Amino acid sequence: QQQVKQSPQSLIVQKGGISIINCAYENTAFDYFPWYQQFPGKGPALLIAIRPDVSEKKEGRFTISFNKSAKQFSLHIMDSQPGDSATYFCAASGGFKTIFGAGTRLFVKA
Amino acid sequence: EAGVVQSPRYKIIEKKQPVAFWCNPISGHNTLYWYLQNLGQGPELLIRYENEEAVDDSQLPKDRFSAERLKGVDSTLKIQPAELGDSAVYLCASSLSRGGYNEQFFGPGTRLTVL
Repeated sequence: QQQVKQSPQSLIVQKGGISIINCAYENTAFDYFPWYQQFPGKGPALLIAIRPDVSEKKEGRFTISFNKSAKQFSLHIMDSQPGDSATYFCAASGGFKTIFGAGTRLFVKA
Repeated sequence: EAGVVQSPRYKIIEKKQPVAFWCNPISGHNTLYWYLQNLGQGPELLIRYENEEAVDDSQLPKDRFSAERLKGVDSTLKIQPAELGDSAVYLCASSLSRGGYNEQFFGPGTRLTVL
């Protein structure tokens, strides 16, 4: 019940394309869903986050889509750039706990 | 503003040896986390502090791991004795408040290799 399942493990996208990463959770007590971006040799950094009272949140080229009934949420990166190449982690928070997904390694080809 | 500082950045030790990691959180952040990150995996919480109190250490292997945050500021995570399976990145993070709703700021991590 505490797992957050993330897919795909890795993703290769052409420059200018759309990158889509999906996550699913089980515990309905989770009520905050952040996405973190991690570059090699660095710690994760918050990219964008959503609460389950909205179905979508957009910040620049990054959009979270949230489906509460399906217990799924996804990250869309529009106009993907080589500088977006990194590992992306979804997470689910609630009751002082944050559970991270296993991560998606994104490579954007120039 | 300085970020979360961790040292050392890299550590190589023989199995059965002790090792310690140090973390200095962002000034004013009362919540401090230690996470374990295995290769190709997401961070997994080891321990969470609110000021100097360890409020969640349920995932800390207490037979060999210990942590302290004596003055509610910087923290030390220790492993004694280290095992081969402890090879991983140890991340420290801090945040402003108790809940999971506030941004966690991560340090660069300490990469531990146990030979």
